[in-house]
Amino acid sequence: QKEVEQNSGPLSVPEGAIASLNCTYSDRGSQSFFWYRQYSGKSPELIMFIYSNGDKEDGRFTAQLNKASQYVSLLIRDSQPSDSATYLCAVNNKDSSYKLIFGSGTRLLVRP
Amino acid sequence: SQTIHQWPATLVQPVGSPLSLECTVEGTSNPNLYWYRQAAGRGLQLLFYSVGIGQISSEVPQNLSASRPQDRQFILSSKKLLLSDSGFYLCAWSAPHHQPQHFGDGTRLSIL
Repeated sequence: QKEVEQNSGPLSVPEGAIASLNCTYSDRGSQSFFWYRQYSGKSPELIMFIYSNGDKEDGRFTAQLNKASQYVSLLIRDSQPSDSATYLCAVNNKDSSYKLIFGSGTRLLVRP
Repeated sequence: SQTIHQWPATLVQPVGSPLSLECTVEGTSNPNLYWYRQAAGRGLQLLFYSVGIGQISSEVPQNLSASRPQDRQFILSSKKLLLSDSGFYLCAWSAPHHQPQHFGDGTRLSIL
């Protein structure tokens, strides 16, 4: 079982819709959760992090964490074609709080 | 503000040649530093991380090595490159005791 799992996609949504990206993790001791956006050929860019159960909103982005069910999600409201990218979920490692375990990413396509 | 510099942006090397990639961070002290590799269409693989000068932790046995000669300098090296060393190499930093990692622009390495 992979430690951090994401659907590879592509997830295709029309412009203006809500895009919902999901991530599950295996380590119940994980405490910190991150979402990165990676455009093709570029390096990952941190867009959200969440530490507590519930929702955290930042502009058009909302991160949702449910530790009991071991999943974290990212909602993108009013999706724009410029949101088309691969979204990486990352979780801290139980053996070392310095290390992150990354999922393989979900590719998002926003259709104009 | 903190910035991370990574060079070169692209590199083409023959099999068996040596490698040296450099990463420097500005605007912070005692950062945690990381080297990742991303194969085409794949997730991020942590190669090395460092929490201080001269302190290197290796995650994956391979023909690569890392060094941290100065507080904000991280170097990835190889004595003899293999075809399997091709990929996108990313350096990242995080503040001490704080987990979000921030990536440099990466080096795209092709082995011929």
